[in-house]
Amino acid sequence: NAGVTQTPKFQVLKTGQSMTLQCAQDMNHNSMYWYRQDPGMGLRLIYYSASEGTTDKGEVPNGYNVSRLNKREFSLRLESAAPSQTSVYFCASSQGPSYEQYFGPGTRLTVT
Amino acid sequence: QKEVEQNSGPLSVPEGAIASLNCTYSDRGSQSFFWYRQYSGKSPELIMFIYSNGDKEDGRFTAQLNKASQYVSLLIRDSQPSDSATYLCAVKTYNTDKLIFGTGTRLQVFP
Repeated sequence: NAGVTQTPKFQVLKTGQSMTLQCAQDMNHNSMYWYRQDPGMGLRLIYYSASEGTTDKGEVPNGYNVSRLNKREFSLRLESAAPSQTSVYFCASSQGPSYEQYFGPGTRLTVT
Repeated sequence: QKEVEQNSGPLSVPEGAIASLNCTYSDRGSQSFFWYRQYSGKSPELIMFIYSNGDKEDGRFTAQLNKASQYVSLLIRDSQPSDSATYLCAVKTYNTDKLIFGTGTRLQVFP
């Protein structure tokens, strides 16, 4: 099992460009999450999907959109990238909201 | 007050010693508690979870939960240099679908 996979691993964008971060899990988990991690700020939840067909905002949703494509896949879209979105993005999944989360390897995004 | 608080460290301990990492939380309705380890440049890796008051042991790791005092701790016995990492505490409260993470404690184990 690959667990949680994310693509791309690295990305550089110019201000105003758009992109989609992809996440997939092969653990048959119901819940999936997107976090960003900045120095000194810890992990902050952007959006999550408690179950297939549902999505909800987290702590820092502005500037992002998500799609729960199916049970396996959960994508994060930046419509118009801003330098403040320079960060490391992690996708995670869990059996359900009360269970432990497993993280993907992360995407390092730089917006210039 | 932050919902989940950890001392940022660094906590420096000699090889072979016990490292004690602490985490306090503000919501008395919290029900699930998790410890993650994160090496520099890597993703968080689950170490342990604990749901009930008391101790839970897994190899060199022991998680301790005290709901009355609203703290959870992680003890690492026989610390090794390879344990040097940032340790994240995460808490799930009763009425949400989300984990709240602390900012982490950096542990340094020196030979």
